[in-house]
Amino acid sequence: AQTVTQSQPEMSVQEAETVTLSCTYDTSESDYYLFWYKQPPSRQMILVIRQEAYKQQNATENRFSVNFQKAAKSFSLKISDSQLGDAAMYFCAYRSALSQGNLIFGKGTKLSVKP
Amino acid sequence: EPEVTQTPSHQVTQMGQEVILRCVPISNHLYFYWYRQILGQKVEFLVSFYNNEISEKSEIFDDQFSVERPDGSNFTLKIRSTKLEDSAMYFCARGQGARNEQFFGPGTRLTVL
Repeated sequence: AQTVTQSQPEMSVQEAETVTLSCTYDTSESDYYLFWYKQPPSRQMILVIRQEAYKQQNATENRFSVNFQKAAKSFSLKISDSQLGDAAMYFCAYRSALSQGNLIFGKGTKLSVKP
Repeated sequence: EPEVTQTPSHQVTQMGQEVILRCVPISNHLYFYWYRQILGQKVEFLVSFYNNEISEKSEIFDDQFSVERPDGSNFTLKIRSTKLEDSAMYFCARGQGARNEQFFGPGTRLTVL
């Protein structure tokens, strides 16, 4: 069974600085998708960024980028120029490409942004 | 704007009662999912629903739970004989595109007393 591990329960960053959130996963599959979701205090789950395992190029969405290391099964999220609105829980998630099925989430990292 | 809406936003019920949580897609989609998040814990998959049938379900999704799309629009999760440990946020999500990216609704907070 696939698992997703986020080893940092909490992180803190100064406004305008850069922070990297870690995520590792375990799978025997070669084709899959990886996602980062943001959950602000409202508890809405917001898709931040996605990565296809077959793509070598790291995904980028504005200030958010990932470092995808397939061999190491690592998928970290970098937030540049951090803003107060980035403060939230961040969840890493895995989905097999073999099905249209479920997301497997990590336990999350709580990010605080200091003004 | 959320990709789906969910009602109610907060439901309080007595232990042993039945609750129905509703998910209303903004547009017509085939794939839907229900997830649960107990306070302070990770998001857990419950069930996926494709073309009006269950396509996959987790170990959590036992006989206490059921899903249906009664009118072809609303997508409901029914929890029978609720227990204290059913207190959680329940999220509906819809799938979109070739990658079937999942976009979540705002959630229903269920409190079982």
